Amino acid sequence: DAGVTQSPTHLIKTRGQHVTLRCSPISGHKSVSWYQQVLGQGPQFIFQYYEKEERGRGNFPDRFSARQFPNYSSELNVNALLLGDSALYLCASSLAPGAMLQETQYFGPGTRLLVL
Amino acid sequence: ELKVEQNPLFLSMQEGKNYTIYCNYSTTSDRLYWYRQDPGKSLESLFVLLSNGAVKQEGRLMASLDTKARLSTLHITAAVHDLSATYFCAVANTGNQFYFGTGTSLTVIP
Repeated sequence: DAGVTQSPTHLIKTRGQHVTLRCSPISGHKSVSWYQQVLGQGPQFIFQYYEKEERGRGNFPDRFSARQFPNYSSELNVNALLLGDSALYLCASSLAPGAMLQETQYFGPGTRLLVL
Repeated sequence: ELKVEQNPLFLSMQEGKNYTIYCNYSTTSDRLYWYRQDPGKSLESLFVLLSNGAVKQEGRLMASLDTKARLSTLHITAAVHDLSATYFCAVANTGNQFYFGTGTSLTVIP
């Protein structure tokens, strides 16, 4: 079975540009979460979506937005890119928020974004 | 917001030795996770700990949870080079949003 997939794997942008990152969850998973991992740090929660609805948002500016599609795939959009947005962006999928107490999140390979 | 702290941040140990990584978190949670990350790779789930006193073991790794102390430990027994990686603990809130620690970069020296 395919795991979580993300595209593109790498991306180089310049300041002020816009970027769209894509994620496809594990088959049967309806919840997708996005994380930003800056080099040398742990992942930071950005968004969680379930059934196309935003279920949670981390402490990120409005330049960050996301959406989930009927097939449960998701996009993360970042506008007006800053140098500090350079990071590994991870997508994680799970069955549903709190579906099972032992539920875990399964992470994709990530998209490495470099802003110049 | 949940705060999760790990220590040490960096750990260099010889093969065959034992060591423990500590994870403290700031508010009550019913779930704690341990993940492994190899350089340039994504996160691999290691353990899910659900209740006070929970202990799980896989090979040379053993994780435990003390919810009263808000503390989890990841114990490494007789380390081998293949265990070299960065280890993260993460705590989930009621909405299943994960908050990660700073990570512990482990290097096992032959």
